[in-house]
Amino acid sequence: AQKITQTQPGMFVQEKEAVTLDCTYDTSDPSYGLFWYKQPSSGEMIFLIYQGSYDQQNATEGRYSLNFQKARKSANLVISASQLGDSAMYFCAMGEVVRSGANSKLTFGKGITLSVRP
Amino acid sequence: GAVVSQHPSWVICKSGTSVKIECRSLDFQATTMFWYRQFPKQSLMLMATSNEGSKATYEQGVEKDKFLINHASLTLSTLTVTSAHPEDSSFYICSARGQGEGSPLHFGNGTRLTVT
Repeated sequence: AQKITQTQPGMFVQEKEAVTLDCTYDTSDPSYGLFWYKQPSSGEMIFLIYQGSYDQQNATEGRYSLNFQKARKSANLVISASQLGDSAMYFCAMGEVVRSGANSKLTFGKGITLSVRP
Repeated sequence: GAVVSQHPSWVICKSGTSVKIECRSLDFQATTMFWYRQFPKQSLMLMATSNEGSKATYEQGVEKDKFLINHASLTLSTLTVTSAHPEDSSFYICSARGQGEGSPLHFGNGTRLTVT
């Protein structure tokens, strides 16, 4: 079974500063994918970044980067130069490695609320 | 990029009635779609996997007779909440994976169901 753990309480960050959102996971699968999604108050789930377990380099997407430490089973999200629009709920999730034909069922963590202060 | 459309965005219904929620993949074919449920301030919980042309696969504890799923085409899956009760009030959200290597899971905008 796969398990995602997000234990941080509500996070606050000053605008333009960087913030790290923690995520640890547990799985017995040899290969897996790790995802981060953003959920603003409107409810939509916005895909941010993906890391495959065999990817050699940490994933980056614009201001988002994933600090993947396989031995520690952690996949922290780093948001650089925070913006007011980054205020939202952030979910870490795990599923199969993203490839054609893969089952895309995801297991989600409890989420972390991020508030960006002006 | 791939887009998943979900309708309606919100619905209020009376206890005992049924509500149908649609999930469409707009620019890609999705043989598999997923239905999640989310209570306020909580995580998304997978309810079922919708498979085009075959029966849905339900997660443990989810009543298949209460939450009817139909995936009649490669672009449409529907979730019908039958005989709704106030405890069914929740945020329901569907997802599907875009085609091609590296495509992430895309979500609809969700449906907020309130049963009175």
